[in-house]
Amino acid sequence: GESVGLHLPTLSVQEGDNSIINCAYSNSASDYFIWYKQESGKGPQFIIDIRSNMDKRQGQRVTVLLNKTVKHLSLQIAATQPGDSAVYFCAENGGTGGFKTIFGAGTRLFVKA
Amino acid sequence: DVKVTQSSRYLVKRTGEKVFLECVQDMDHENMFWYRQDPGLGLRLIYFSYDVKMKEKGDIPEGYSVSREKKERFSLILESASTNQTSMYLCASSYRLQETQYFGPGTRLLVL
Repeated sequence: GESVGLHLPTLSVQEGDNSIINCAYSNSASDYFIWYKQESGKGPQFIIDIRSNMDKRQGQRVTVLLNKTVKHLSLQIAATQPGDSAVYFCAENGGTGGFKTIFGAGTRLFVKA
Repeated sequence: DVKVTQSSRYLVKRTGEKVFLECVQDMDHENMFWYRQDPGLGLRLIYFSYDVKMKEKGDIPEGYSVSREKKERFSLILESASTNQTSMYLCASSYRLQETQYFGPGTRLLVL
């Protein structure tokens, strides 16, 4: 079935370093991808999105890369800060799933001071 | 900014009780969603609504019902709470179905 998965369940980085969180998706027809951040005790918060007609999109300190050839999505966080510690989810929408957003299991990012 | 609020952050209920979880969004979004989030299982869709009084089942609707009498409000009802419904419940809304969903803070429900 369709799935959105993450390569690593946890990621630990040093404060100031760049973080890269990866995600694989299985539905090549998906056309919209979203990254969410979930801090402890809170709901997921939208970070950045990208449509399938793009391969890169940048926000403030974050960049999303989409490689449709290998069905891979990544989130890059520049100069990681302690406040970036959270669980990060990728999600896909569209394609044969229609309206449904399919969420990955999440990667927990730890930032070491 | 989109704001999605949920009526309770924490709830403790007894088995067999009827439980109401309320969600309100202030951005005039057409679509609203209820998910539950469990460790290792991620976010699973319970129900969604694309218009007032309209609802569709998600992946795990058993044991739940919903109500959408007003555009801004979407309620999740556990008709007879069971211990396996102990979970984090998240409400979300979106302008279009295939666009970003904005989440509330969640309600952590414990059924004893």
